[in-house]
Amino acid sequence: GEDVEQSLFLSVREGDSSVINCTYTDSSSTYLYWYKQEPGAGLQLLTYIFSNMDMKQDQRLTVLLNKKDKHLSLRIADTQTGDSAIYFCAESPLYSGAGSYQLTFGKGTKLSVIP
Amino acid sequence: DAGVIQSPRHEVTEMGQEVTLRCKPISGHNSLFWYRQTMMRGLELLIYFNNNVPIDDSGMPEDRFSAKMPNASFSTLKIQPSEPRDSAVYFCASTRQGKNTEAFFGQGTRLTVV
Repeated sequence: GEDVEQSLFLSVREGDSSVINCTYTDSSSTYLYWYKQEPGAGLQLLTYIFSNMDMKQDQRLTVLLNKKDKHLSLRIADTQTGDSAIYFCAESPLYSGAGSYQLTFGKGTKLSVIP
Repeated sequence: DAGVIQSPRHEVTEMGQEVTLRCKPISGHNSLFWYRQTMMRGLELLIYFNNNVPIDDSGMPEDRFSAKMPNASFSTLKIQPSEPRDSAVYFCASTRQGKNTEAFFGQGTRLTVV
């Protein structure tokens, strides 16, 4: 079945860049997502990338996709203490209309930002 | 829209009791997901519905767990009888099927079974 893997922890100093990595196994993945979970809250979508793209930039966030290696990364430039959270990688196939749609999440990477 | 609404936010119950978690998805969304989050296992998909129909319940841990979606605006996750190992945060999420399948999450229900 589908599997999404992430490292569990990452620590960076404030002002440095953070890079969170993710690998996935489903070759039919069409959309790949990064979600952020702050303490005591649900997950919120940060950004996503379509599988025919290899890079997407949104302000301090850069998503890189290597489809051949099934590797996704999220880079946060100038990391701030407010970026401390758990970051989830997720993937989904294009909805087939046959009820086979499913969003698969990794276990999450806890980012700690040291002032 | 108020987003995905879950209730209660916190639930503390004794082992053996029945627990019912509730979810109201975003209006117009036709897929609904129940997830469980623990420190040990991370975020696990328990079950999801498309158009009120359960599609995949392979993540439901045991027969003690059941989920229903009687209409497009309401779903329940029931645990009967509850056990201490069921303690976790349970999230409900909904999506509208389409080109971008962004999932919107509720705030979660923190369940503690003592």
